[in-house]
Amino acid sequence: DSGVTQTPKHLITATGQRVTLRCSPRSGDLSVYWYQQSLDQGLQFLIQYYNGEERAKGNILERFSAQQFPDLHSELNLSSLELGDSALYFCASSARPGSTDTQYFGPGTRLTVL
Amino acid sequence: SQQGEEDPQALSIQEGENATMNCSYKTSINNLQWYRQNSGRGLVHLILIRSNEREKHSGRLRVTLDTSKKSSSLLITASRAADTASYFCATDDRYRDDKIIFGKGTRLHILP
Repeated sequence: DSGVTQTPKHLITATGQRVTLRCSPRSGDLSVYWYQQSLDQGLQFLIQYYNGEERAKGNILERFSAQQFPDLHSELNLSSLELGDSALYFCASSARPGSTDTQYFGPGTRLTVL
Repeated sequence: SQQGEEDPQALSIQEGENATMNCSYKTSINNLQWYRQNSGRGLVHLILIRSNEREKHSGRLRVTLDTSKKSSSLLITASRAADTASYFCATDDRYRDDKIIFGKGTRLHILP
């Protein structure tokens, strides 16, 4: 158990819909990362937050947005969903934002768009 | 674009044999990390090697880094069934170390 929690575990929805994925980082970790993992694209970095502020942006679509709240939990919002958005979405946390810090991954949310 | 690229994409070996996976990357880095992912689960950190290190060991794991060739290798010795997983390398950008890029991974299957 990494200490990172993600809800829900599974999500099935239809195209055009909007969903929110939630992540609670390990106790004491200030940095949160979001990743998308699909079979054809591998693990894609989406976005990183550190202590409530956006720190780095990866291949995140404009239809997607995220935020980190004062209690350090984070939410990833996916809107106008398309079939291609079906994937595993992982959240990870680390104590600090630098690349030398180990990232601890949550169990993921499996999103299926029908 | 992908920073790290693992090779091979998939590898099957007999239990007890050694497994070697390689990672190549494009830009200068501060450090490189290896992670393991069991099917459908979150990634687990294995080892970090800094750009000024050439080799690092952790239990049955041995990681090497050749910055001149922009490549790293992960060796798992005396493989076990529990080593069956996907292995990913992750690299940062030397000039912007807060962005970590993962490769597509090597799927390792240990045969009984």
